[in-house]
Amino acid sequence: DVKVTQSSRYLVKRTGEKVFLECVQDMDHENMFWYRQDPGLGLRLIYFSYDVKMKEKGDIPEGYSVSREKKERFSLILESASTNQTSMYLCASSLTGGAGTQYFGPGTRLLVL
Amino acid sequence: SQKIEQNSEALNIQEGKTATLTCNYTNYSPAYLQWYRQDPGRGPVFLLLIRENEKEKRKERLKVTFDTTLKQSLFHITASQPADSATYLCGGGNAGNMLTFGGGTRLMVKP
Repeated sequence: DVKVTQSSRYLVKRTGEKVFLECVQDMDHENMFWYRQDPGLGLRLIYFSYDVKMKEKGDIPEGYSVSREKKERFSLILESASTNQTSMYLCASSLTGGAGTQYFGPGTRLLVL
Repeated sequence: SQKIEQNSEALNIQEGKTATLTCNYTNYSPAYLQWYRQDPGRGPVFLLLIRENEKEKRKERLKVTFDTTLKQSLFHITASQPADSATYLCGGGNAGNMLTFGGGTRLMVKP
């Protein structure tokens, strides 16, 4: 069975802290994505990666960075967390080419105080 | 910018009826549309994909249509059940596997 796991389900951080969210997939997928989901705004793409060490900005990359050192792992970094980054963060992966179905992780609910 | 719009108001229907959810796209022409189901506190789960050259796709009690003239997709659940209650997301994409998602529509099926 396809699996995408995220390092934490819930996280509470203080303003200014550096935050790492990790995502691991076991499907050998080339593409990986980070989204945030907020009520009324839906899923918004932060960054995606189509290969190891490759990354592309999504719609809302400001305040975030990513790292993909290994194919199965994609990390989202909040360099200096702010309260407006309180949100649900979802990681997804897909095969390359064509209309790839995205497989999502369970999400990390981040609260920044 | 490209946009996917779904009805943000919850859809309440009676068990056994057909639920119809709408997805409209603007400022772009997606080559395909995908529908996902999301339960509270969980990640979305893929349900169906329909390409722009397909008018209709079915899977068990689910049916999706793609109308490029109206720039709209309709998602139907026939003989709905309380277990179908969830939020349904529509996403539109072209080459490159990036999807633009709508805000989702919450469906409540009452027994």
